[in-house]
Amino acid sequence: GAVVSQHPSWVICKSGTSVKIECRSLDFQATTMFWYRQFPKQSLMLMATSNEGSKATYEQGVEKDKFLINHASLTLSTLTVTSAHPEDSSFYICSAKEGWTDEQFFGPGTRLTVL
Amino acid sequence: DQQVKQNSPSLSVQEGRISILNCDYTNSMFDYFLWYKKYPAEGPTFLISISSIKDKNEDGRFTVFLNKSAKHLSLHIVPSQPGDSAVYFCAASTNFGNEKLTFGTGTRLTIIP
Repeated sequence: GAVVSQHPSWVICKSGTSVKIECRSLDFQATTMFWYRQFPKQSLMLMATSNEGSKATYEQGVEKDKFLINHASLTLSTLTVTSAHPEDSSFYICSAKEGWTDEQFFGPGTRLTVL
Repeated sequence: DQQVKQNSPSLSVQEGRISILNCDYTNSMFDYFLWYKKYPAEGPTFLISISSIKDKNEDGRFTVFLNKSAKHLSLHIVPSQPGDSAVYFCAASTNFGNEKLTFGTGTRLTIIP
């Protein structure tokens, strides 16, 4: 199956700093990428959907100025958590799909801890 | 508001027996349902899906049943194998094949050899 990677797999940062998480589709062109967040004992929650070359569509309640998403190429999307705070500590996971398929392929996730 | 619920956080089943994982949903607009399997340190991988026009879909050892009136679906694995030990997520969408998925909280399945 298609492979999606994420980097880093875990990151610890100080409050107030910004953190960038990369999501790459390794063997296919991802026309659409998705970013999810999962808090402990909760479900994966969709944060935003991004199509290559256009602005991301954010879900209700997700601050677009805080969670910057860039999908500049068909194999790379980045999520930048700006001015991170401890409440942003979570598990962030991306998924990607080719335009002609319905299946989403998920990355392994990134554990963010904000001190 | 948790629209997709998996009320059993964990389940242990003897190898060779049937594993039944349950999922309930509240949004009557959901018309496509998926099951994902997740191993530690890996992303969820698609397992099986079902459209609301069906009540059963089978793929090898995996069968998904959908009861629309009860807003309930279940995943049956038979026979269960040690490699089936993983976390299983139920997900739903409002348009067939729609990319916007709503996930449950997951059930950790442990197969006992």
